[in-house]
Amino acid sequence: DAEITQSPRHKITETGRQVTLACHQTWNHNNMFWYRQDLGHGLRLIHYSYGVQDTNKGEVSDGYSVSRSNTEDLPLTLESAASSQTSVYFCASSENGAGFTDTQYFGPGTRLTVL
Amino acid sequence: AQSVTQPDIHITVSEGASLELRCNYSYGATPYLFWYVQSPGQGLQLLLKYFSGDTLVQGIKGFEAEFKRSQSSFNLRKPSVHWSDAAEYFCAVGHSNSGYALNFGKGTSLLVTP
Repeated sequence: DAEITQSPRHKITETGRQVTLACHQTWNHNNMFWYRQDLGHGLRLIHYSYGVQDTNKGEVSDGYSVSRSNTEDLPLTLESAASSQTSVYFCASSENGAGFTDTQYFGPGTRLTVL
Repeated sequence: AQSVTQPDIHITVSEGASLELRCNYSYGATPYLFWYVQSPGQGLQLLLKYFSGDTLVQGIKGFEAEFKRSQSSFNLRKPSVHWSDAAEYFCAVGHSNSGYALNFGKGTSLLVTP
């Protein structure tokens, strides 16, 4: 079955280190998204992509970057991890440019702790 | 800018009782509205969505939601709650300022008592 996976599921790192969270989907979806989830804030958009070589900033993009070299993957990089980036990170994908009518499918999440 | 508010942070209902979770949105045009559920330690699963047409939308797991433009609301309902419905529920609106991304409410945590 097609799916969306994230790795690692749990990560502990130190302040100042570079961290990359992986997201892989097998649906061949063009649209991919990264959200972070924090208590009291719900989910907030970090970055999104409509296809290969396309990336866009979301609401809380400072300190994060993404790259899209193929359809299946959208890795999220924390250039220099900060304690404020301790959170649960969700990747999502949806189909090809049909707007909100397409369902977004979410990965299982990555819990990141920055010490 | 689009926004969505879930007024209730926590709700407790007895098993078998009816449920209504509130969601209010702020949007200038026809909204795209969604309800997602998140079980503990899991990702989000879509319950239902509304784009146009019939204002009463049926979803999975026996849930339904009603779009009321006059009240800017999209409340989620279930006639009889099961213990397995205990989870976090998120209302979301289409986010035109960020392409096809979603703008989520802060969530309502549902506790089901015996």
